[in-house]
Amino acid sequence: DTEVTQTPKHLVMGMTNKKSLKCEQHMGHRAMYWYKQKAKKPPELMFVYSYEKLSINESVPSRFSPECPNSSLLNLHLHALQPEDSALYLCASSQLSGGYTGELFFGEGSRLTVL
Amino acid sequence: GIQVEQSPPDLILQEGANSTLRCNFSDSVNNLQWFHQNPWGQLINLFYIPSGTKQNGRLSATTVATERYSLLYISSSQTTDSGVYFCAACNFGNEKLTFGTGTRLTIIP
Repeated sequence: DTEVTQTPKHLVMGMTNKKSLKCEQHMGHRAMYWYKQKAKKPPELMFVYSYEKLSINESVPSRFSPECPNSSLLNLHLHALQPEDSALYLCASSQLSGGYTGELFFGEGSRLTVL
Repeated sequence: GIQVEQSPPDLILQEGANSTLRCNFSDSVNNLQWFHQNPWGQLINLFYIPSGTKQNGRLSATTVATERYSLLYISSSQTTDSGVYFCAACNFGNEKLTFGTGTRLTIIP
């Protein structure tokens, strides 16, 4: 089963709301990723968790707060977002082995609109 | 970090034509992937190909790691091949997969 599932698929929130995006994988992968994609642009890395520890934070504003409760789950908590944060948020997972990053598998994405 | 460039940025072809998409990268890689992004935004894995040649139906890919480029070949194009094709790469010891700017392919019936 090579599936990464993301919920919700669509989310509309106001600038004062608190919401969360969720991601789950059951491939036994030890790395999980959040990417952000604006229209007509490539995905840009936000965070990487390796072995359930935050290993990369690409200088993301603190209004985005990642969490990795266990090796299968990855959350992205959203608070006090701005309209320019509206984008497609993509979760991915991969295997890690001796410094090599295995094939990344992406979920379908969560399309976020901030009003 | 690693730089990834794709060409051409846009490609319009008649159904049945063949195409070649190119990806250049600035450093040695331990991961190179090709994706097709569908109209709903999902990134579909086409190839995991840090080196060598692979084929899957009408699609094939070749990565020449020593010369730092990869090619994606699409033969006998169909309208369902339309969309954006991304190349992404990372180097040894780095978990950051960096995407190129993509090639937007349009297949006309």
